[in-house]
Amino acid sequence: DAKTTQPPSMDCAEGRAANLPCNHSTISGNEYVYWYRQIHSQGPQYIIHGLKNNETNEMASLIITEDRKSSTLILPHATLRDTAVYYCIVRPFYGGATNKLIFGTGTLLAVQP
Amino acid sequence: DTAVSQTPKYLVTQMGNDKSIKCEQNLGHDTMYWYKQDSKKFLKIMFSYNNKELIINETVPNRFSPKSPDKAHLNLHINSLELGDSAVYFCASSQDREYTGELFFGEGSRLTVL
Repeated sequence: DAKTTQPPSMDCAEGRAANLPCNHSTISGNEYVYWYRQIHSQGPQYIIHGLKNNETNEMASLIITEDRKSSTLILPHATLRDTAVYYCIVRPFYGGATNKLIFGTGTLLAVQP
Repeated sequence: DTAVSQTPKYLVTQMGNDKSIKCEQNLGHDTMYWYKQDSKKFLKIMFSYNNKELIINETVPNRFSPKSPDKAHLNLHINSLELGDSAVYFCASSQDREYTGELFFGEGSRLTVL
């Protein structure tokens, strides 16, 4: 079962920042937070991941609260091509864990023109 | 070059038939996966192979048989197809079984069983 809770859908105006929340209140100390997205009729695409520090790459920023119980994915300037289902996933680091991502229901982000 | 490629992209077949979906990755990764996305859009892992060895088998019916001839290929064979097998099947790969980076997914193979 997925260990995260996300709103089922969100709207965002084109050119504005999209802030997608995720609750992972039962996250363990050795678990990372990953974000993937799935554009319609395509395979899931990796966006970013982090442990406890905020992370930024060319696609997005990830803000993780100090207690690590929630996080926010930020798309700084959303475009129509960012319309997709966004998945927040927690996954154990090392310790013999296999790379088994468990996807929840995600958030459908609709970017409006 | 497509990093993870699957064939066929679309597959329509009758109940009871046997079909295969092929997957190839050119990333030099050790680990490959099959995921199933059903009509309600839930994406679930089915199998994972690490360097040709099965490491994840998520209680999938034994009508589904993955085969990895080498670490760059992971094929999925399905026997005696049922209506409930209709779904989109995604292949994915990662650098190794514990790599904490990204999984690379293919574009999916949409299977329709009539």
